[in-house]
Amino acid sequence: AQTVTQSQPEMSVQEAETVTLSCTYDTSESDYYLFWYKQPPSRQMILVIRQEAYKQQNATENRFSVNFQKAAKSFSLKISDSQLGDAAMYFCAYKTGANSKLTFGKGITLSVRP
Amino acid sequence: EAGVVQSPRYKIIEKKQPVAFWCNPISGHNTLYWYRQNLGQGPELLIRYENEEAVDDSQLPKDRFSAERLKGVDSTLKIQPAELGDSAVYLCASSPRRLGGLAGTGELFFGEGSRLTVL
Repeated sequence: AQTVTQSQPEMSVQEAETVTLSCTYDTSESDYYLFWYKQPPSRQMILVIRQEAYKQQNATENRFSVNFQKAAKSFSLKISDSQLGDAAMYFCAYKTGANSKLTFGKGITLSVRP
Repeated sequence: EAGVVQSPRYKIIEKKQPVAFWCNPISGHNTLYWYRQNLGQGPELLIRYENEEAVDDSQLPKDRFSAERLKGVDSTLKIQPAELGDSAVYLCASSPRRLGGLAGTGELFFGEGSRLTVL
């Protein structure tokens, strides 16, 4: 079975600084996708960034980028120039290419200090 | 375009009472998901529909939970009877298929959730 592990329950970052959120996963599949989702307090979950396993280049979306280490099964999210609006729970998630099932990690709570 | 709509947003019930949650996915999205999210935890899949067919309900406690997706659009999740441990946020999400009928690339669109408190 595929698993997604987020071992850090909480992190804090100073506004305008950079923070990295960690995630590891376990799978025997070769075709899969990895995601970071953001869930602000009392608001709906939204997709932050997506990485296809077959792509060697790390995905980037504005201030958000990933460090995808396929051999190590590691998938970390880097947030640059942190803003107050980045405060939320962040979930790492995994999906095989074969079906639409999405498996989430336990999440990490990110706080941003002004 | 309207997003995923869920109701009710909040529900407080006594244990052993029934409760139902409703979800209207984004128009044209054929895959619909129900997740349960306990406080401070990640969402856990309860059931996944492809159109009107439940293709993954292995995590649905079938003794008390039931779900349906009539005509492959709206969906209802029911709990009867509710237990104290059912207190959680119930999230509905939908996703589109890729061209050619392939499984989607994984972006799920979530509703705001239904927060259930069982007393």
